[in-house]
Amino acid sequence: DTEVTQTPKHLVMGMTNKKSLKCEQHMGHRAMYWYKQKAKKPPELMFVYSYEKLSINESVPSRFSPECPNSSLLNLHLHALQPEDSALYLCASSQDSFPDNEQFFGPGTRLTVL
Amino acid sequence: AQSVAQPEDQVNVAEGNPLTVKCTYSVSGNPYLFWYVQYPNRGLQFLLKYITGDNLVKGSYGFEAEFNKSQTSFHLKKPSALVSDSALYFCAVRDSHSLGGGADGLTFGKGTHLIIQP
Repeated sequence: DTEVTQTPKHLVMGMTNKKSLKCEQHMGHRAMYWYKQKAKKPPELMFVYSYEKLSINESVPSRFSPECPNSSLLNLHLHALQPEDSALYLCASSQDSFPDNEQFFGPGTRLTVL
Repeated sequence: AQSVAQPEDQVNVAEGNPLTVKCTYSVSGNPYLFWYVQYPNRGLQFLLKYITGDNLVKGSYGFEAEFNKSQTSFHLKKPSALVSDSALYFCAVRDSHSLGGGADGLTFGKGTHLIIQP
């Protein structure tokens, strides 16, 4: 299995809602990532988990809360989001977090905040 | 700090012609360089990478890239373009000083739209 899967594909939520994005990989990778991508822009790194521990938090607002329950799963909990948080949220994984490893990306979750 | 520049927002090429998508980089250590492709409403697909060794790297779908240390460039090339190659292409870099979980993640260029005309 060489896939990174993400659910849901689309999500519409109000500013007072709580929702979660899910990501799963079964490639035995030990590093997982969340990126945010606005339209016609490159992905921006949000969080990195290495061996299930948060290793990078790129000054992301606390309304985004990552969680790595095990080495195959990565969640992103959303609460009190703003309309400007609407974007494509991409999950990725790699063998480990060393810089020579390519990252494998999921198809993304298209998030719309009303 | 690490950075990537893709100087062209869009590249237009006729089908069957060779294509080049440009990328230059800046790192403090040694560069690890990557090319990804993104089709509309999809995630990114890995094409190829340069870590060390031969300056010409071959990747998926007939793409290749040439690492040039003196010009700090890593241009993506293909000898004969296909209409199906039309997509958004991202160059990305990580610094060798980013040792497993270090301060720098993968930094992307702004992307280049490649349009292959039939």
